Amino acid sequence: SSELTQDPAVSVALGQTVRITCQGDSLRIYYASWYQQKPGQAPVLVIYGKDNRPSGIPDRFSGSSSGDTASLTITGAQAEDEADYFCNYRDSSGNHWVFGGGTKLTVL
Amino acid sequence: QVQLVDSGGGLVKPGGSLRLSCAASGFTFSDYYMSWIRQAPGKGLEWVSYISKSGSYTNYADSVRGRFTISRDNAKNSLFLQMNSLRAEDTAVYYCARDLRPHQVSEAVDYWGQGTLVTVSS
Repeated sequence: SSELTQDPAVSVALGQTVRITCQGDSLRIYYASWYQQKPGQAPVLVIYGKDNRPSGIPDRFSGSSSGDTASLTITGAQAEDEADYFCNYRDSSGNHWVFGGGTKLTVL
Repeated sequence: QVQLVDSGGGLVKPGGSLRLSCAASGFTFSDYYMSWIRQAPGKGLEWVSYISKSGSYTNYADSVRGRFTISRDNAKNSLFLQMNSLRAEDTAVYYCARDLRPHQVSEAVDYWGQGTLVTVSS
């Protein structure tokens, strides 16, 4: 299957560590990218490739992968990290591009 | 700095047409593949279409193939999406987005426009 499955909602206490997961058969072959989206705003790329952060993304964001599951970890979650997070992969031809359904992160 | 500005959205009746535009600045537009991605109200993200840096290659999601056409004008640093035969299910915010790496299809997009809302309703 080419689908990507995410938990609809996750919560974390302020300053604690949270892992957001994304599951799909294609993730055995391709790395997931992760996007953060706050209400009323465009998505922002936070992780791509094996574990790469674009310029300006705090180092508390990290990515990892095992088997068919990719994970986004936020170490020491901040209030401003409260957002929706979408995983995504794109095959090497660029012709197949799938997004997960998104995870709503609440920082308590 | 890199900037993408989406425009052209609005209210249109089912079966109607609309043309979206994306004005790019702050980078060499002709070096990058570009995409359109949409988000229905309260829903997730859906890739719609992408175009190669020269415009010679395009691809579409099955949901829009045959109805939507992506194009670009590198001389004017602009990306377009012509949407025909619009349906209620096409209602969404449409974002243009730039591929992460120049000169090649990338695994991600790194810059997004602010989005433009398309509403298809009678």
